Amino acid sequence: EAQVTQNPRYLITVTGKKLTVTCSQNMNHEYMSWYRQDPGLGLRQIYYSMNVEVTDKGDVPEGYKVSRKEKRNFPLILESPSPNQTSLYFCASSLLASGRTEQYFGPGTRLTVT
Amino acid sequence: SQQGEEDPQALSIQEGENATMNCSYKTSINNLQWYRQNSGRGLVHLILIRSNEREKHSGRLRVTLDTSKKSSSLLITASRAADTASYFCATDGKQTGANNLFFGTGTRLTVIP
Repeated sequence: EAQVTQNPRYLITVTGKKLTVTCSQNMNHEYMSWYRQDPGLGLRQIYYSMNVEVTDKGDVPEGYKVSRKEKRNFPLILESPSPNQTSLYFCASSLLASGRTEQYFGPGTRLTVT
Repeated sequence: SQQGEEDPQALSIQEGENATMNCSYKTSINNLQWYRQNSGRGLVHLILIRSNEREKHSGRLRVTLDTSKKSSSLLITASRAADTASYFCATDGKQTGANNLFFGTGTRLTVIP
């Protein structure tokens, strides 16, 4: 089954404790993105990757890192999480750049930073 | 910000009625997409309309695009309780290219059985 998986689905952590949210897709998609969703603000793009070893900043990249060492994986790294990073995070992948084709979204990771 | 804006923020209708949601955006686009999100879950793509298209249909969905007014509408005909969800429009930016997708804040649709 074609899908985007994220882990963990729920995470509660404390300020400053480094964490990684994994994202994997099985559709051989070139393009992957990370978004955060906050009430009243909609979805905002954090980072995207057009291919292996190619990543770029989205709308709200501060406080986040990403890597794309393999085509299927695109982990999101929070080196020193802060409470303002409490949010619902989505990974997405698409065959082409996100504006040109449908994106497939993962189920989401709900992160709480205390 | 290039973020789009949906209107209304919330809509409640009876099953069988039609639901219309609107989206306005600020900058020129290549494409506009509509997505659906069931509460707390991942978004699901509904339809993509290109800037040179004016109308597109998919099953009970009808999307229009007016680039002169920088607006789009999503019509769901003969609504069902299962259509209850949030609906988002998303635009790319002609100036930033198709790599960035900007989402609106969504319309929360409730279909009452």
